[in-house]
Amino acid sequence: DQQVKQNSPSLSVQEGRISILNCDYTNSMFDYFLWYKKYPAEGPTFLISISSIKDKNEDGRFTVFLNKSAKHLSLHIVPSQPGDSAVYFCAASAQTGANNLFFGTGTRLTVIP
Amino acid sequence: NAGVTQTPKFQVLKTGQSMTLQCAQDMNHNSMYWYRQDPGMGLRLIYYSASEGTTDKGEVPNGYNVSRLNKREFSLRLESAAPSQTSVYFCASSQGQRSSYEQYFGPGTRLTVT
Repeated sequence: DQQVKQNSPSLSVQEGRISILNCDYTNSMFDYFLWYKKYPAEGPTFLISISSIKDKNEDGRFTVFLNKSAKHLSLHIVPSQPGDSAVYFCAASAQTGANNLFFGTGTRLTVIP
Repeated sequence: NAGVTQTPKFQVLKTGQSMTLQCAQDMNHNSMYWYRQDPGMGLRLIYYSASEGTTDKGEVPNGYNVSRLNKREFSLRLESAAPSQTSVYFCASSQGQRSSYEQYFGPGTRLTVT
């Protein structure tokens, strides 16, 4: 049973516009959330994270928003650039216990020049 | 500084054959992980090693064994490969096991079992 869900397999956005990638989770014990980015034939690379004590974390063009009551988080990329074209994975963990990461199925973002 | 390296990059096995996937990191990280990625399933944790000398099962450990050979190396063994183990395998490492420590991933091994 998928505990972290990314319901949009793909997203296309014009260069310069905002990209919004969404993620939902079902396990209320999750309290730390991450986004990873993956290019073809490479391993995922860490992008940004957020703890459940916050509702927003920003790093340059990337902002992650967390809505705990809705068990929903989103990644905003502004402005989008062609180099942002990749697969984005949402991941979550519970910081008690094993701290293992549970990944979503990924969203393929295409930024059109 | 190579980060996390994996060998081989590609492998084709027949059902019932065995093989070992190798992983090494040069970042002096304590924790290491093996994941598999399947279409429509995201990455799933197979086994992890929180520190040298320890290993634990993840979400999908059946059919696999692991060895933390030393602090640098963490291998994944398939004793009797099955078509259901066709997947892309990623090794990762992190400074510690807490999820706030960034995990660094290798480039992956694409395994096909026929």
